[in-house]
Amino acid sequence: QKEVEQNSGPLSVPEGAIASLNCTYSDRGSQSFFWYRQYSGKSPELIMFIYSNGDKEDGRFTAQLNKASQYVSLLIRDSQPSDSATYLCAVRGGSYIPTFGRGTSLIVHP
Amino acid sequence: GAVVSQHPSWVICKSGTSVKIECRSLDFQATTMFWYRQFPKQSLMLMATSNEGSKATYEQGVEKDKFLINHASLTLSTLTVTSAHPEDSSFYICSARGDRGSDQETQYFGPGTRLLVL
Repeated sequence: QKEVEQNSGPLSVPEGAIASLNCTYSDRGSQSFFWYRQYSGKSPELIMFIYSNGDKEDGRFTAQLNKASQYVSLLIRDSQPSDSATYLCAVRGGSYIPTFGRGTSLIVHP
Repeated sequence: GAVVSQHPSWVICKSGTSVKIECRSLDFQATTMFWYRQFPKQSLMLMATSNEGSKATYEQGVEKDKFLINHASLTLSTLTVTSAHPEDSSFYICSARGDRGSDQETQYFGPGTRLLVL
């Protein structure tokens, strides 16, 4: 069974700090990796996706993928209170149906 | 681009009634649509996957006769909760996978429909 693990948190960081969110997955054949943000009471919104080993940067967000170690992480630089949300990691293998983690709750306090 | 809408955003109904939720991809053709359910402070739970013109594939434990899914076109899928009961109260979210380029790789979520069955 394909599993995607995330620490449920909450992860609490001060405003301006770097928030680091981690995700591990069990299926070595996984090909695509996604990070979604979900505010309370809202549906998930895509932040970024990554396919290749290494880092991918988009504004304040950096996704890091290490297929050998089977983990993907999301770094949020200069964290803002508006970044407070649940962050969902999703992993997709050969099929088009991704497996979602349970999410990590992030709290950015002023 | 890649906008998915859902209607209605809120539904309150009496027990025993049926509720239809629409999911539309507004600016792209959705090869595949997904229906999720999410209870408060719980993770997303995939209910079913539907491809245009074919029967939906339901996840284990999801009653296909209770949750009817119709994917009539490349831009519209509907979920009908039949004979709804209070335990069906939840947040129902659809998502769509596009038909070209990077949209094929990514799911775009609708805003969700909150269902309350009294």
